[in-house]
Amino acid sequence: TAGITQAPTSQILAAGRSMTLRCTQDMRHNAMYWYRQDLGLGLRLIHYSNTAGTTGKGEVPDGYSVSRANTDDFPLTLASAVPSQTSVYFCASSPGGQPTEAFFGQGTRLTVV
Amino acid sequence: QKEVEQNSGPLSVPEGAIASLNCTYSDRGSQSFFWYRQYSGKSPELIMFIYSNGDKEDGRFTAQLNKASQYVSLLIRDSQPSDSATYLCALPNSNSGYALNFGKGTSLLVTP
Repeated sequence: TAGITQAPTSQILAAGRSMTLRCTQDMRHNAMYWYRQDLGLGLRLIHYSNTAGTTGKGEVPDGYSVSRANTDDFPLTLASAVPSQTSVYFCASSPGGQPTEAFFGQGTRLTVV
Repeated sequence: QKEVEQNSGPLSVPEGAIASLNCTYSDRGSQSFFWYRQYSGKSPELIMFIYSNGDKEDGRFTAQLNKASQYVSLLIRDSQPSDSATYLCALPNSNSGYALNFGKGTSLLVTP
């Protein structure tokens, strides 16, 4: 099974440009998440979605937006990228209903120049 | 304010020894705790979870939970060079649905 698929794997983006990071899961999980991971700062939650049609802000939501039109997809959009958004982005999912383990995608390495 | 604290390491242990990784947390209401392993350049993967006070064993791994002291640990017996990775402690984020809140991780190096 594929699990969680993220695209692209890596990207170099000019500052000021917009970009959407894609995330698709085939596990029929209700909950999905976006984290960013930076050296020395660990994994930080950007946005989350407990179920299709709902989203919420995590610890570091500024500069990012998400949507959850269906169960499988949870795209993350950077409207106008800045260098501080250079990071590794992980999409994750969990069954939902109660806090359980999160399953992670392979990550997207984004460099904003 | 980060709710999960871990020593960043690196923790260096010789092959065959026991590696002890520790994590403290601030939310007394936390009920479940997770240990993830992350190899360099890879995504985190779950090793173990624990809900009850005491020890939980799975192969060479033992998770220990002490809710009164707000302390959870991971022991790796007979450490192997392939165990060299960053170990992340996680617990539910009370402010963000079902999301997990992660510590910054402890880097473990097992030397041959």
